[in-house]
Amino acid sequence: QSALTQPRSVSGSPGQSVTISCTGTSSDIGRYNYVSWYQQHPGKAPKVIIYDVNERPSGVPDRFSASKSGNTASLTISGLQTEDEADYYCSSYVDSPIFVVFGGGTKLTVL
Amino acid sequence: QLQLQESGPRLVKPSETLSLTCTVTGDSISGSSYYWGWMRQSPEKGLEWIGSIDYSGSGKVYYNPSFKSRATISADTSRSQFSLKLISMTAADTAVHYCVAVRRGSTPYHWGQGTLVTVSS
Repeated sequence: QSALTQPRSVSGSPGQSVTISCTGTSSDIGRYNYVSWYQQHPGKAPKVIIYDVNERPSGVPDRFSASKSGNTASLTISGLQTEDEADYYCSSYVDSPIFVVFGGGTKLTVL
Repeated sequence: QLQLQESGPRLVKPSETLSLTCTVTGDSISGSSYYWGWMRQSPEKGLEWIGSIDYSGSGKVYYNPSFKSRATISADTSRSQFSLKLISMTAADTAVHYCVAVRRGSTPYHWGQGTLVTVSS
């Protein structure tokens, strides 16, 4: 069982928006502004698409946005494209000795 | 551009030791603001952080308590490499292992392509 809770799957049609939630506790998401989101296509390594709650690495489209409220973080993908179909994971900083915890992943299907 | 590449065996026998090496290009292990670490991913346990080394700062190595008694992470700056040794491998250690560059907040920011390690006799 993962430390952070994500829905197992979400779906949307091309052009629509979807939001993926990531629920933690006051010891991780609720305490630190170090929430990250990763996109993983089959057979590939995870790729950071959001870090520090809502920062995008260069090259990541602004269709990807994120926020945090209390113990829950959210990733929103707007203007869905077929290439967005992938698994999405969240992570959060947490105090020693673990330092980082992950969600179990959400499979996004673009219908 | 920072790139990481894992190398090592893909098949390990039960009770044996796994040795993986990560070669870093595009940055200096000793002069970087990143920590250097190892992650793994399996269907059963999902993404797991194994440990990280802070070679440019304190030189300390941090381990996930779940691996601390079995894992050793070290770095060889002359070769721009860092390594993972994991002893007493079991079938439960079968996973894709990734080397990562970790930015502040413990975010694995850059990932190697990953190597599937299978534990089987």
